[in-house]
Order: sequence, then C-alpha cells, then structure tokens
Amino acid sequence: GESVGLHLPTLSVQEGDNSIINCAYSNSASDYFIWYKQESGKGPQFIIDIRSNMDKRQGQRVTVLLNKTVKHLSLQIAATQPGDSAVYFCAENRVGNDYKLSFGAGTTVTVRA
Amino acid sequence: DGGITQSPKYLFRKEGQNVTLSCEQNLNHDAMYWYRQDPGQGLRLIYYSQIVNDFQKGDIAEGYSVSREKKESFPLTVTSAQKNPTAFYLCASTTGTTRAFFGQGTRLTVV
Repeated sequence: GESVGLHLPTLSVQEGDNSIINCAYSNSASDYFIWYKQESGKGPQFIIDIRSNMDKRQGQRVTVLLNKTVKHLSLQIAATQPGDSAVYFCAENRVGNDYKLSFGAGTTVTVRA
Repeated sequence: DGGITQSPKYLFRKEGQNVTLSCEQNLNHDAMYWYRQDPGQGLRLIYYSQIVNDFQKGDIAEGYSVSREKKESFPLTVTSAQKNPTAFYLCASTTGTTRAFFGQGTRLTVV
C-alpha cells in the first residue's frame, strides 16, 4: 500500500551545522509533497512544499529535494539554530478525487549548543 | 484572522463516556481531517472529509465518529468503544490541493 516514511527517528546536530532529514514515499501518483515542523505540545506548521514536476525548491534557510526515480524526499536546513529543534514530518498529497493526507512517522531534531 | 481552532485544549474523560472534540475553521477550506498522535509517534489519520455531509474513514477510525453538517465545523466524538483514547488529537484543513493548516490540538486523558 501507499506510505510515507522517514529514514531516521532522531537526528542530533551541532548548532551552526547543516541538517538533512530524509523521507521515502511509495506512491508514484503523489503530486505534492510537504514538510511540516512540530514543536512540543503544538500543531504542525508548514515549512516548505514541492510539486512532483520539480526537483528542488528553496526557502529561507531550507531546501527540499525530490528524487522521483528513487521516491525520496529530503529537507535541508542551513546553519541549524536552537529554534530548529522540533519534530519534522513529510507528507504527500494527490490532486484528484481523494484528499487523503498521510504523514510519515517524524524525525526528532535536537540542536546541540 | 483566518485559522483553525480546536477546543478544549485539555479534556478529561471517565471510562465509558463519550466525549466530543471541537474543530472550527474560517479558511473556507473544503477538506478537514482528524489525526491522533501518541507520545513520540507520528500522525495517524482517523477520519477526513472532502465536502459537507460526506466523510471517509482513515487508518484508525474504530471507536471514533464524526459529522460534517457545516463547511466550517468537523467535530470528533471519541466513543466508549475506543479502548485507549488517551492521546493528542489534531484537526487540520486544506483546500485539498495545498498545504494543511493545523489547530493547536486537544490533549485527551482518561481518568
């Protein structure tokens, strides 16, 4: 069946270093991929998205890469800061009749001072 | 301000009771979702609705029920049939083709 999953449940990063969070998906029909950040006790917040017809998209300090050949999605955070400590989720969606929105298990990022 | 509001923030339920969690959005979004999150876990989909008066089961619908009588409202009832209801519940909405907006969650505890 279709699923969205993350490679590693936890990631420890030194402040100032770059972070890379990975995600694998299985549904080739997915049109749209999104990264969310969830801080403790709060709802997830949107970080960045990418359409299936793109390979790369950049935002402020974040870059999302999409490799459709191996069904792999990654989020890169430049110059990681203490405020980046959170759980990061990838999600996939399909434009069409079914609006089902599925999430991966999440990667907990801890930034070391 | 446009947004999505969940209430209450904290809810306590006695065993055998039904409780209803509220979710309201003023974003004019067609699609609404309910997720359950257990400590250290990801988001598991309970129910979702693409349009008023229609909804679909997600991956863990047993023990839950929903209604969608109005576009802006999607309440979730946790019934006594849900044997392990203690969790963090999140509501979200989207246009169906764009990013989801989440509420701040309701933490349900069985006492």
